[in-house]
Amino acid sequence: DIQMTQSPSSLSASVGDRVTITCQASRDISNYLNWYQQKPGRAPKLLIYDAYNLETGVPSRFSGGGSGTDFTVTISSLQPEDVATYYCQQYGNLPLTFGQGTRLEIK
Amino acid sequence: EVQLVQSGAEVKKPGESLRISCEGSGYSFTTYWIGWVRQMPGKGLEWMGIIYPGDSDTRYNPSFQGQVTISADKSISTAYLQWSSLKASDTAMYYCARGVGATVVTDAFDIWGQGTMVIVSS
Repeated sequence: DIQMTQSPSSLSASVGDRVTITCQASRDISNYLNWYQQKPGRAPKLLIYDAYNLETGVPSRFSGGGSGTDFTVTISSLQPEDVATYYCQQYGNLPLTFGQGTRLEIK
Repeated sequence: EVQLVQSGAEVKKPGESLRISCEGSGYSFTTYWIGWVRQMPGKGLEWMGIIYPGDSDTRYNPSFQGQVTISADKSISTAYLQWSSLKASDTAMYYCARGVGATVVTDAFDIWGQGTMVIVSS
């Protein structure tokens, strides 16, 4: 299985801050990487697909990058509604695997 | 509106059987994969398996193979996740999700159900 490791596991930042979450794959997955946002008590929501493409309706303050084994999701200016847990997910190989999640809070 | 609607919460005893459902609407149910994802209390997301309702092609995460059965009835646009003998460790929220893309089987999950909470307790 391809292991996905996110860092940090949790993060506290202020409104307006630039925030970056990283995801590392245990082997090369090209750009076969998605990001999901899960708000408390809600189902996950697709945020970014194919490493850097924003899903329709996702605010432009979100961006994704990376390829191979190292990926990032960045929020350019943190907003209160961005409080959530963020997960990366690879689709280079079965089984599909998720990172352990990064909990983002407002300071 | 494209949506997946899951069946309601369940409280069961160890050893009991259970089938939960996921009904799709607003799109062609037979032409998209449906995946199942487990989220244990306070934990992350785990992919369990996936089915293509058009021909019932099914793939399992080896970690869940033999523990659950995934099926679909395309005549009523519904996918199912079932257990023959529940354990306390099956207590979790279960999500169905629509798969898009076809790099391996499916790439991303773009539409999610609201989740079905399953509690297994004696």
